[in-house]
Amino acid sequence: EDQVTQSPEALRLQEGESSSLNCSYTVSGLRGLFWYRQDPGKGPEFLFTLYSAGEEKEKERLKATLTKKESFLHITAPKPEDSATYLCAVQASLTSYDKVIFGPGTSLSVIP
Amino acid sequence: DTEVTQTPKHLVMGMTNKKSLKCEQHMGHRAMYWYKQKAKKPPELMFVYSYEKLSINESVPSRFSPECPNSSLLNLHLHALQPEDSALYLCASSLNTEQISYNSPLHFGNGTRLTVT
Repeated sequence: EDQVTQSPEALRLQEGESSSLNCSYTVSGLRGLFWYRQDPGKGPEFLFTLYSAGEEKEKERLKATLTKKESFLHITAPKPEDSATYLCAVQASLTSYDKVIFGPGTSLSVIP
Repeated sequence: DTEVTQTPKHLVMGMTNKKSLKCEQHMGHRAMYWYKQKAKKPPELMFVYSYEKLSINESVPSRFSPECPNSSLLNLHLHALQPEDSALYLCASSLNTEQISYNSPLHFGNGTRLTVT
């Protein structure tokens, strides 16, 4: 069964304290891995798509990387406005084109 | 601002009511989705429409009835809901279902916060 897990469940950082969030997946044939940011009461906002092991994507203070079994979202020198829940999701080729499966998320709090 | 618009933003309904949630996108996307999200949980897929035809129903109870009148609109009709159906209902769209990974990720609306009393 396709599965996505994320760790830690929650993370508190001081402003400027860099860290990484982990997403581990078990799927039959990965078509794509996605990172989303979700603010309270809002829909998920797309950040990155990663397709193959070794790939990296960057956006401002965020950098996403992908291996064969997991993905990391690195946050460099975070600011309070980076506080949100970060969701990882995968699309697997052998289940269905249509399905994107989400992990449980990491709730990030950045303290000034 | 999101390019997927959902109305209403909040909805309170009794267990005997009939109501509808609406979703609209004008990005030319041909795949549309309904997700349900409970507090502190990830979104869970409910339905997928591809080119206005229902392609996936994730064993959702019949008290939820989706409808896709055209490529820009998606409705979710609600009838005889239970209090445990209270959640944030998210609509999403993508260019199509085959190219989610390559060309067009899911774009989400901000959801309808549903409370069933």
